[in-house]
Amino acid sequence: KAGVTQTPRYLIKTRGQQVTLSCSPISGHRSVSWYQQTPGQGLQFLFEYFSETQRNKGNFPGRFSGRQFSNSRSEMNVSTLELGDSALYLCASSPGTGGRYTFGSGTRLTVV
Amino acid sequence: DQQVKQNSPSLSVQEGRISILNCDYTNSMFDYFLWYKKYPAEGPTFLISISSIKDKNEDGRFTVFLNKSAKHLSLHIVPSQPGDSAVYFCAARINNNDMRFGAGTRLTVKP
Repeated sequence: KAGVTQTPRYLIKTRGQQVTLSCSPISGHRSVSWYQQTPGQGLQFLFEYFSETQRNKGNFPGRFSGRQFSNSRSEMNVSTLELGDSALYLCASSPGTGGRYTFGSGTRLTVV
Repeated sequence: DQQVKQNSPSLSVQEGRISILNCDYTNSMFDYFLWYKKYPAEGPTFLISISSIKDKNEDGRFTVFLNKSAKHLSLHIVPSQPGDSAVYFCAARINNNDMRFGAGTRLTVKP
C-alpha cells in the first residue's frame, strides 16, 4: 500500500514568487490536511480538504490556498512568497471520518 | 492560537529510565488525543492515542495518560531506548477531523 507522496522534496524560490506543492494521499483516503513546520512553532495547521471541499482552515493569510481534485490529490499554493514562508510543508491523509493521519515526508521550501 | 502546548522543547534521559513528555491543551471540545513521533527528513508517524472518555491507554512501552480536569496529557516511555530519540508531537482533534498539534519535544535517550 503506497504511502502519502509529496512532491517536490526540496524547493528554492525567490521572494515575491509563487509556489505550488503537491500531495497524493493513500488510496481510498478522502481527507488531506496541510501543515507548516517551523522550528519552535511545531505543526501549524493550514487547511483540510475533504471530497474536494475545504472543510477546516487555520489562521494563515490568504496567500496560502489549496485545492483538492476528484482523485483526492491535493495542491497547496503560496503566492507572493516571503522569507518567513521558509519551512517544511507536510501533508497528511486520512479516511476523513476521524481516522488517524498518515503524513508524507514533506516539501522543504526555502525562500531567498 | 496555540490550543495545544508542549512547554518543554527538549528532554534528555538515560537509556533504561522513564521518559515523560507533557502536553497541555486549552479547548475542552477536543475529543481525541494522539502522539506522533518524527525523525529528521521524515513525516511524523502515529504512536499512540486516547479518547477523551478514557484516562489511560497502554501499548507496549508507551502509555498515554489523560487528565481532563487539568486539560493535560502525558506520554510515558518505559524503558527508554536510544531508538526512541526523536521529536514527539502531541495532537488533539476537534470537529471530527480538525487536528491541532503542539510545538514538539525533542527527546534524546543517551546510551
